[in-house]
Amino acid sequence: AQSVTQLDSHVSVSEGTPVLLRCNYSSSYSPSLFWYVQHPNKGLQLLLKYTSAATLVKGINGFEAEFKKSETSFHLTKPSAHMSDAAEYFCVVRPSGAGSYQLTFGKGTKLSVIP
Amino acid sequence: NAGVTQTPKFQVLKTGQSMTLQCAQDMNHEYMSWYRQDPGMGLRLIHYSVGAGITDQGEVPNGYNVSRSTTEDFPLRLLSAAPSQTSVYFCASSYSGSGTYEQYFGPGTRLTVT
Repeated sequence: AQSVTQLDSHVSVSEGTPVLLRCNYSSSYSPSLFWYVQHPNKGLQLLLKYTSAATLVKGINGFEAEFKKSETSFHLTKPSAHMSDAAEYFCVVRPSGAGSYQLTFGKGTKLSVIP
Repeated sequence: NAGVTQTPKFQVLKTGQSMTLQCAQDMNHEYMSWYRQDPGMGLRLIHYSVGAGITDQGEVPNGYNVSRSTTEDFPLRLLSAAPSQTSVYFCASSYSGSGTYEQYFGPGTRLTVT
């Protein structure tokens, strides 16, 4: 069984400062990992995905995440926060293997950006 | 492509009423699923389907029913609405061809049960 822990329920940063959203996962084998973003009153949008091709994954809007197997972590970062980054972010894990569609979601981290 | 569409966007029901939330996708995805989102809980899987005629229960299936007669449509039925079903409901679809099975989400239906 897999699980996801997002270590912070709320993160607040100033505009122009770095963003770090932390995620740890538990999975029986090498999983697929995703970050989704949800802006207020909107659906979820895929930000980036890890598929074992490279440990550093680049996503949209300047976000990136690094897969660290030894630490079972997949933290999301961005060098410089923008006001439009204010949203809720979900770390998601999928078990490896064909036919494994089901995703397990973390509880989310709400990012606030202070002008 | 319209992607994943959901109707209605908002709905208010009285306790005991029934209704159907509609979900459709035009991407020929074999997998479709329903989630509910509650504050501080993330998304929880209600029901899912891996193809027409095949459905299965997720984490929180009680009080909900689904069917999948076509690849495109995956409606969610509330049999007898309860206040505990007040939530935001998301439909999603996925396909194995990507290799990573990422899911594409609809815009959501906000349901209030009074």
